[in-house]
Amino acid sequence: SQQGEEDPQALSIQEGENATMNCSYKTSINNLQWYRQNSGRGLVHLILIRSNEREKHSGRLRVTLDTSKKSSSLLITASRAADTASYFCATDQGGYALNFGKGTSLLVTP
Amino acid sequence: DADVTQTPRNRITKTGKRIMLECSQTKGHDRMYWYRQDPGLGLRLIYYSFDVKDINKGEISDGYSVSRQAQAKFSLSLESAIPNQTALYFCATSDSIAGRYNEQFFGPGTRLTVL
Repeated sequence: SQQGEEDPQALSIQEGENATMNCSYKTSINNLQWYRQNSGRGLVHLILIRSNEREKHSGRLRVTLDTSKKSSSLLITASRAADTASYFCATDQGGYALNFGKGTSLLVTP
Repeated sequence: DADVTQTPRNRITKTGKRIMLECSQTKGHDRMYWYRQDPGLGLRLIYYSFDVKDINKGEISDGYSVSRQAQAKFSLSLESAIPNQTALYFCATSDSIAGRYNEQFFGPGTRLTVL
């Protein structure tokens, strides 16, 4: 069954604003990953955070992980129209395939 | 990702027909996966293969079968398609050897419609 659950399901912001989406999961993990999907296309890996890490940055992306709360957040700073996409968290419990959440749909308007 | 290709990209078929979706990769990865995506349900794992001789059922394998013909090829079959198998299907790969923490690389997807 799906491990991660993203929140909110949909988010609409204006260019230049920050976008924050959250992911909660149920069981212990080795790492948590975030993926982006442009409409109808394949998913693209954005960033991975290991279970012993608390925060990670990649360009305009900032990911946090709180294993005590079994939650993660993805922050996109200074959003652009090109950031419009669906964002999925995926958990790796070790040795098996990833478990994907249902995604957050982000709309960035000019 | 151009390194993971899927054929066909779109397919419309009728109930009861046998359908095969193919996936090829040039990334040299050992692990391959098949997912389906339905609106509002995210991605669900159908089958996965950790090497040519290791194939495992995922969350929703009923009605599907797979074949790992070579390390680079992993095909998904619907023996007798039904309308609720209408979905977007993705193939993905990952590399267990390089220690990449199971980062997955996705193909462009196959949109399958069963009438």
